[in-house]
Amino acid sequence: AQTVTQSQPEMSVQEAETVTLSCTYDTSENNYYLFWYKQPPSRQMILVIRQEAYKQQNATENRFSVNFQKAAKSFSLKISDSQLGDTAMYFCAFMKWANSKLTFGKGITLSVRP
Amino acid sequence: SAVISQKPSRDICQRGTSLTIQCQVDSQVTMMFWYRQQPGQSLTLIATANQGSEATYESGFVIDKFPISRPNLTFSTLTVSNMSPEDSSIYLCSVAADPEAFFGQGTRLTVV
Repeated sequence: AQTVTQSQPEMSVQEAETVTLSCTYDTSENNYYLFWYKQPPSRQMILVIRQEAYKQQNATENRFSVNFQKAAKSFSLKISDSQLGDTAMYFCAFMKWANSKLTFGKGITLSVRP
Repeated sequence: SAVISQKPSRDICQRGTSLTIQCQVDSQVTMMFWYRQQPGQSLTLIATANQGSEATYESGFVIDKFPISRPNLTFSTLTVSNMSPEDSSIYLCSVAADPEAFFGQGTRLTVV
């Protein structure tokens, strides 16, 4: 079975600064996907970024990038130029190849201060 | 991508009653999933809804408590039966569009 660990329950960052959210996971699988999802107060789960385990290159999406360390089973999210709209709960999640079930971490509450 | 409509968006129910949550997808999908998010917690998978066969439940969840229907490739329902205050949670429907998962907006259930 897979486990996803987010050890930081909450973080705060000043607007326009950079923040990194940590995630580690444990699996015996070799082929899988990792995700960061954002959940604002509206409850809607929004995909922030995805990383395929077979890709060595770290994924980037505009202000969001990841540091994927497969051997260390680490998958951190960096948010650059933080905006007030980034305030939300962020979940790290694992999906086994061709399984489609997601295993989530406990989540981290990110607050962006004006 | 997939657009998912989930309803109701919220409800307050009396203990001992049941609530059925509906999930409609704008395209045909093979697998649909139901997750529970207890207050301040992460998402936990309840079951996988398969079209034409019984749902597959995760450890700790049983069909008598959470019966699921999947009559076609675009629709599913989750019923929360004989509710107690411990069932107060957000329930989310999700579909897989490999390699991504898309979510409905969730149903916030409060049991009093």
